[in-house]
Amino acid sequence: DGGITQSPKYLFRKEGQNVTLSCEQNLNHDAMYWYRQDPGQGLRLIYYSQIVNDFQKGDIAEGYSVSREKKESFPLTVTSAQKNPTAFYLCASSMRDRVNQPQHFGDGTRLSIL
Amino acid sequence: AQTVTQSQPEMSVQEAETVTLSCTYDTSESDYYLFWYKQPPSRQMILVIRQEAYKQQNATENRFSVNFQKAAKSFSLKISDSQLGDAAMYFCAYRSRTNSGGYQKVTFGTGTKLQVIP
Repeated sequence: DGGITQSPKYLFRKEGQNVTLSCEQNLNHDAMYWYRQDPGQGLRLIYYSQIVNDFQKGDIAEGYSVSREKKESFPLTVTSAQKNPTAFYLCASSMRDRVNQPQHFGDGTRLSIL
Repeated sequence: AQTVTQSQPEMSVQEAETVTLSCTYDTSESDYYLFWYKQPPSRQMILVIRQEAYKQQNATENRFSVNFQKAAKSFSLKISDSQLGDAAMYFCAYRSRTNSGGYQKVTFGTGTKLQVIP
């Protein structure tokens, strides 16, 4: 079955450390997204990518970086510049330029500070 | 900029009863899509139902239906015959048809936590 796989499910970061969250999809979707979810704030867009080797900042990109070297993969790095990284991170994908198509989501990664 | 408001942080419903979750949005656009997503405790977001702004007929998916009032910018979700498995966070989302740099922005509400009482 097609879907989105996020790993790990739980991740702990030490002070000053960069960590990378994995997101892989086999839905043949061109577009991929990273969201951050905090209690009471809904989902906020961190980065998105419409095509391989191209990505754009979302609403809260500071302290994060991404890459899109393959269509199937869109890893997110939480850098030491992100001072409040504790949150639930969701990866999503969708068909490009198909506004009526919903985004498909992974199971998420919960990141905590040690 | 579009905004999506879910004014009910928490709701509860008795099993087999009907509940309505509210969602309002603000936009200057005339063409867009609206979605309701469900996020159970397992945390995976699942699409419940979608509505195109140009369609006057309210969308229905089995026990789930919407009341779409375009002039009032309201998009409520009705769950009939509530089941224990309906307990989850529900997010309303707005997707612009406008292509801004190749991206049709999705704006989410803050969610409503639904509790189903046996």
